[in-house]
Order: sequence, then C-alpha cells, then structure tokens
Amino acid sequence: SYVLTQPPSVSVAPGKTARITCGGNTIGSKSVNWYQQKPGQAPVLVIYYDSDRPSGIPERLSGSNSGNTATLTISRVEVGDEADYYCQVWDSSTDQRVFGGGTKLTVL
Amino acid sequence: QAQLVESGGGVVQPGRSLRLSCAGSGLTFSGYALHWVRQAPGKGLDWVAFISHDGSHKYYADSVKGRFTISRDNSNNVFHLQLNSLRAEDTAVYYCARDGQWLGTPSDEYFQHWGQGTLVTVSS
Repeated sequence: SYVLTQPPSVSVAPGKTARITCGGNTIGSKSVNWYQQKPGQAPVLVIYYDSDRPSGIPERLSGSNSGNTATLTISRVEVGDEADYYCQVWDSSTDQRVFGGGTKLTVL
Repeated sequence: QAQLVESGGGVVQPGRSLRLSCAGSGLTFSGYALHWVRQAPGKGLDWVAFISHDGSHKYYADSVKGRFTISRDNSNNVFHLQLNSLRAEDTAVYYCARDGQWLGTPSDEYFQHWGQGTLVTVSS
C-alpha cells in the first residue's frame, strides 16, 4: 500500500516561514491535499490539487508537489497556525485514500 | 450554513455492532462522493470507507474490509456506516466527509466538508 511520510513535528518562530513535507513514491504524479486540525476540532481543508486554496484560507498558506515530496509552506507564521497538518492522496493501485501520519506545527 | 452531523456513536462491547449516520444540512450529498475517516485517541487521521456519488462503487481500508459497510440515501441526504464485529482497535472518533467535486473522479477528490465527529468506544 502507498505510504506518506511526514515529520512528526516542526517548530517555527512567529513571522517566519514553516515548511511541512510529505514524502511518497513519485508523489509528484498524484494530486495532494492538505488538512489542518486544531485540538478538539474536525479537520479543515487548507490546500487541494497540490496548490489550490479553498475560499477563506489565507494566501500565506501555499503548496507545491514534485518528484517524491509535496510541501505545505506557511509564510509569516502566526500563533493561530499552531495545529496538526495532514497530507492526503488517492492510491490508484488500491482505490484507497491515504493520509500521512501528521505533523504538529509549534509556534515558538 | 453547510454542515454535516454524525450520530450513532457510543460504547459497545467487542464483537457487537453499531450504525453511524451522517446527515447533510445546507448542502447536498447528491452527485458527490462520501467518506468516513476515523481518528483513534491521540493518533492521526485514518481513512475508512468511500462511496461513489451514485452508490455503485465502494472501497474500504484493509483494516475494516469485510466488517464495515458504507451506504447512502440521496433522497434523505444521509449516509451510513455499519460497523460489525467491532474490536478494541476500532475505538476512535469517526468523521464523515463530503468530496468537493460534483461528479468528480478519485484523482480530483478532496474532503471539502467534514462533520464534527462521533466517538465510538469498543470496550467490555
């Protein structure tokens, strides 16, 4: 089955840039979605189709995808960005949907 | 305001069954793929099941295949997850989610709308 690998944690100072990676075999050939989840809340879609933002998601959040790594970039990080972030793809070989293990973003 | 509302969670003994439901309010399920995703306490998101917009295709995670069944009722804007032969490791918050693409394909899929989750606890 297809595996997505994320770092368990990323720490960044306010105002700096955070990059959260999602590794997978030729993930660049897949469409990657990203979700933000704050404690006690349901996940929220923040990036779809590698780099598109739903309405209401600030431009500070952006996505890219190439080769074996997809990346969620959060510019000018704010305290309110503290959350768990998950990448997700469709595995065409099994028709199953796959989530990465999640990355906890800490704003120092 | 668009929202999904789950119901049916609770405490159940190992080996027993439970039926979860997800009702849409302010948004339609007709024409959209639907999913169940779960999250064990302190763990990450775990996709469980998918049903296509017309109910003709259903897919499951290996961990629940043969035990869980997803179904939908477009006329009542609701879909379900039947959980049979429950195990302790099925304990989790179960979220329902709707795709963002009308009549979309799996490669176009993303979980645009989510419910608030319902807790299933499997314990003797």
